[in-house]
Formats: sequence, C-alpha cells, structure tokens
Amino acid sequence: DVKVTQSSRYLVKRTGEKVFLECVQDMDHENMFWYRQDPGLGLRLIYFSYDVKMKEKGDIPEGYSVSREKKERFSLILESASTNQTSMYLCASSVLGVPETQYFGPGTRLLVL
Amino acid sequence: EDKVVQSPLSLVVHEGDTVTLNCSYEVTNFRSLLWYKQEKKAPTFLFMLTSSGIEKKSGRLSSILDKKELFSILNITATQTGDSAVYLCAPRTTDSWGKLQFGAGTQVVVTP
Repeated sequence: DVKVTQSSRYLVKRTGEKVFLECVQDMDHENMFWYRQDPGLGLRLIYFSYDVKMKEKGDIPEGYSVSREKKERFSLILESASTNQTSMYLCASSVLGVPETQYFGPGTRLLVL
Repeated sequence: EDKVVQSPLSLVVHEGDTVTLNCSYEVTNFRSLLWYKQEKKAPTFLFMLTSSGIEKKSGRLSSILDKKELFSILNITATQTGDSAVYLCAPRTTDSWGKLQFGAGTQVVVTP
C-alpha cells in the first residue's frame, strides 16, 4: 500500500512565523503535490514537483515555497505566515507513468493567529 | 479559465437510496476525469474516466463521462452510512505532470 505521511495533523502558528510542512511518501513516486483545501473552494494546487530539486508553480503559489532535496520528501514553506493561510494542507504523490492517480496524505490543519 | 462545477453541493439521503452526483467541466486540453472520495481526511481514488459513454463500476458505485456535453456523473446505489463523504471530481489536462483541477465537492450524508 502506498503511504503518504505528513509531519503534523494540527498546527497553530502566529502571524509572521516561518512554517514548514513536511510530506514523505514511501513508494518511490516521482511526482509530489501540495494542495490547500478550503470550504466551497475544493482542493487548489499550490506547487508540484516531478523530480528531485524540480518544482513547478500550481494555481496559488503566492506566499509559499517548496523544497525537494530527496525523492521521498516534499516540503511546503510559508515564509511569513498570514491569517489567510489558515487552511487544510494536503500532500499527494503519484507515479510518473500514471500521474493523475494521486495518493494523498492525511492532511495538516494549520491555524494562523 | 478552467472551471469545474459539482452539484448538488450537499445532500442527505436514507440508507438504501440511490444518489446521483454531477460534475460539469470546462478545461483546456481535457484528457481524463477522476473521482475521489474524501471522508475525514485524505481523498481516496475511485475512478478515472477517459472515454465517453463507457461506464466504470466498482461495487455499488458507477460513473460515466460525456465528453461532448462536458460532464460526468457518479452514481451510488443502495447507499450505506459508510458512503457518507465528500465526493470530488477532478479533470486532468494533457500536461505531463498529472495536474488535476478539483471541483468543490458534493457532501453526501447517508442516515440510517
């Protein structure tokens, strides 16, 4: 079974703090994705990566950056957290040959005060 | 601009009822459409549809795609309380990376 894990289930941070969200997958998948999910808006893609050290902007990259130093790990960084970044963050991975079948982690619910 | 609209936004049914969920889309360079089920946490994959008119089935769930009218439906027959979830549809374009455009989802509540 594919396993995608995220470092925290719940996180509370203050405005202006730097926040790191970690995602690890154990299936040697090439593609990894970061989404945020807000009520009424569905999942929106922040960034994705198709290889180590490679990254592509998604639909809402502003205020975020990412890092992929190892194949299994994809980090989302909020350089200076703001209250409008309070959300559920979901990480996903997929294999290069079937990139659309994405396996999701359990999510991190982030509250920025 | 790409658009994905799911309807209804939510519905409540009794166990044993049949539900039909709708997903209409307008995306550039459409390639396939996926359905996911999201319970408390991570979305889990249900179906991938690439061809019009060919029904995909998995137990009590089935789905079909109409590429001419740009929509898909997901049917759940003989619903059970375990079907309570948010159902997400996500068209995919022909880009190489498997980028998905998710709809807002339909919340289904099945009452005993």
